Amino acid sequence: GIQVEQSPPDLILQEGANSTLRCNFSDSVNNLQWFHQNPWGQLINLFYIPSGTKQNGRLSATTVATERYSLLYISSSQTTDSGVYFCVSGTYKYIFGTGTRLKVLA
Amino acid sequence: EPEVTQTPSHQVTQMGQEVILRCVPISNHLYFYWYRQILGQKVEFLVSFYNNEISEKSEIFDDQFSVERPDGSNFTLKIRSTKLEDSAMYFCASTQGSGNTIYFGEGSWLTVV
Repeated sequence: GIQVEQSPPDLILQEGANSTLRCNFSDSVNNLQWFHQNPWGQLINLFYIPSGTKQNGRLSATTVATERYSLLYISSSQTTDSGVYFCVSGTYKYIFGTGTRLKVLA
Repeated sequence: EPEVTQTPSHQVTQMGQEVILRCVPISNHLYFYWYRQILGQKVEFLVSFYNNEISEKSEIFDDQFSVERPDGSNFTLKIRSTKLEDSAMYFCASTQGSGNTIYFGEGSWLTVV
């Protein structure tokens, strides 16, 4: 089955900094989503982005399906951005990536 | 935004007891899923369900697990005889079609003591 790897595994930022999170997938995909798991464990849907670029406030995402990767950009990070970021892909079986644990310091 | 609801939010159970976790998927969705996340680890796929039968299941989903759609709205995960290692967050999810946006519930924390 498809493998989904994310990098970096851990990231510490000072508030206000920008960051780029990467998701590589082992096979072609026809869908990709980014989620934020907050410190309470909830999975917050950020983007459904099988290809192209989307923006939502300080967050944006780009998926290059032909090269099997997706990027999540966080600009002007805030402490509330802390948590784990997952990319997810699949059809009958959605597979989670390995996750990036982000900590934003005040 | 449509949402998937799960109950209970937290359950503590004795080892060996049966547990049923309940989910109400989004009303016009046709595909339903259960996932598990052991504390500090990645989110793992357990099972997908469509048209009243299991579409796919992982190696984790052994004979002690079962799923059911007892009526038109609920989707349940039963663990027959809980073990300590079943302690985890269990997420229910649904999609309108295969490959569509997947929506997750807020999870049910299961603690087996």
